[in-house]
Amino acid sequence: DIQMTQSPSSLSASVGDRVTITCRASQSISIYLNWYQQKPGKAPKLLIYTASSLQSGVPSRFSGSGSGTDFTLTISSLQPEDFATYYCQQSYSIPRTFGQGTKVEV
Amino acid sequence: QVQLVQSGAEVKKPGASVKVTCKASGYTFVNYGITWVRQAPGQGLEWMGWISPYNANTNYAQKLQGRVTMTTDTSTSTAYMELRSLRSDDTAVYYCARDYCSSASCYLAWFDPWGQGTLVTVSS
Repeated sequence: DIQMTQSPSSLSASVGDRVTITCRASQSISIYLNWYQQKPGKAPKLLIYTASSLQSGVPSRFSGSGSGTDFTLTISSLQPEDFATYYCQQSYSIPRTFGQGTKVEV
Repeated sequence: QVQLVQSGAEVKKPGASVKVTCKASGYTFVNYGITWVRQAPGQGLEWMGWISPYNANTNYAQKLQGRVTMTTDTSTSTAYMELRSLRSDDTAVYYCARDYCSSASCYLAWFDPWGQGTLVTVSS
């Protein structure tokens, strides 16, 4: 199975900050990496697919980059509604696997 | 709009079975897969498996093989996930999600949208 490791596990930030979350795969997954946002008590929401494609309706302050084993999710200017947990997920192989999550806190 | 609506919360005893329902609307059901993901309390997301409504092909997580069955009813655009021999560590919120992947193996697979989740509590 491909292991996905996110860093950091949590971070503290303020409104307006630029936030970067990293996801590393245990082997190359090309660009087959997706990002989700989850708020407490809610289902996850797709933000980015295939490493850098912005899902329709997602604000442009979210962006993704990377290929191979190293990927990043960037929030250019953190907004109050962005405080949440973020997960990466690989689709290169079965089983699909998720990172452990990164909690973005005030 | 594309929507997945799941059945309500369940409380089960150890050793019992549970069947969670996921009704899809707003898109052509057979053109996408359905993935199931669970989340134990305070924990991360765990992929359980995938089913193609088109031909009923499935892929299951190795750790659940033999205990999980995923099915669909194309006449009602509904997906089902049955988990048997429940244990306390199966206590979790179970989600269905529309999967862009509609065939047995594809790289292009992302989950959107998700159902609202179904809490399954296993307790004696």
